[in-house]
Amino acid sequence: RKEVEQDPGPFNVPEGATVAFNCTYSNSASQSFFWYRQDCRKEPKLLMSVYSSGNEDGRFTAQLNRASQYISLLIRDSKLSDSATYLCVVNGAGGFKTIFGAGTRLFVKA
Amino acid sequence: EAGVVQSPRYKIIEKKQPVAFWCNPISGHNTLYWYLQNLGQGPELLIRYENEEAVDDSQLPKDRFSAERLKGVDSTLKIQPAELGDSAVYLCASSLQRRGVNTGELFFGEGSRLTVL
Repeated sequence: RKEVEQDPGPFNVPEGATVAFNCTYSNSASQSFFWYRQDCRKEPKLLMSVYSSGNEDGRFTAQLNRASQYISLLIRDSKLSDSATYLCVVNGAGGFKTIFGAGTRLFVKA
Repeated sequence: EAGVVQSPRYKIIEKKQPVAFWCNPISGHNTLYWYLQNLGQGPELLIRYENEEAVDDSQLPKDRFSAERLKGVDSTLKIQPAELGDSAVYLCASSLQRRGVNTGELFFGEGSRLTVL
């Protein structure tokens, strides 16, 4: 079993749709969690951190469920520019063991 | 502020040839990472440095890969000899450690895309 698992997709959604991605992790000692965004042939960039209390940044909402060991990302009112690969990232103790998921591909169509 | 700089952006070599990649991290970032990314996969850690010390190189294929970070700033990653399966994007990232804790955000360079023929 991979340490961090994501549904690779692709998710094909129309503009304005709401879409959600889940990510599961195997190490219950994991301490911090993030979503990164990677555009085609570009480097990954931090989208948002995921806190235990959940957090929201505009159209994006991230949630953490420690009991079930998964994190989620919700995108509301999808835009064409949201088309990208979304990488789930899990850090171990001290944040030093950083594990990336394989990514979930999103296509938003007009 | 300049981001993480990598070179070359693209490299095409024949198998069994050597290749080297260079990375200059964000100024002040003491932690540097080399990742390998295959198409359709997430980045996989090759080696992590804290200052000039390699603190995690467990995933580095040491028979053909080597890395160094002299003076704790720039870093080079070398492959010798390259194999067909080494074709991938090699990403360098840096982050800031504060009071023994990684702040969590990794800043990536644009990557070096290697094609081995």
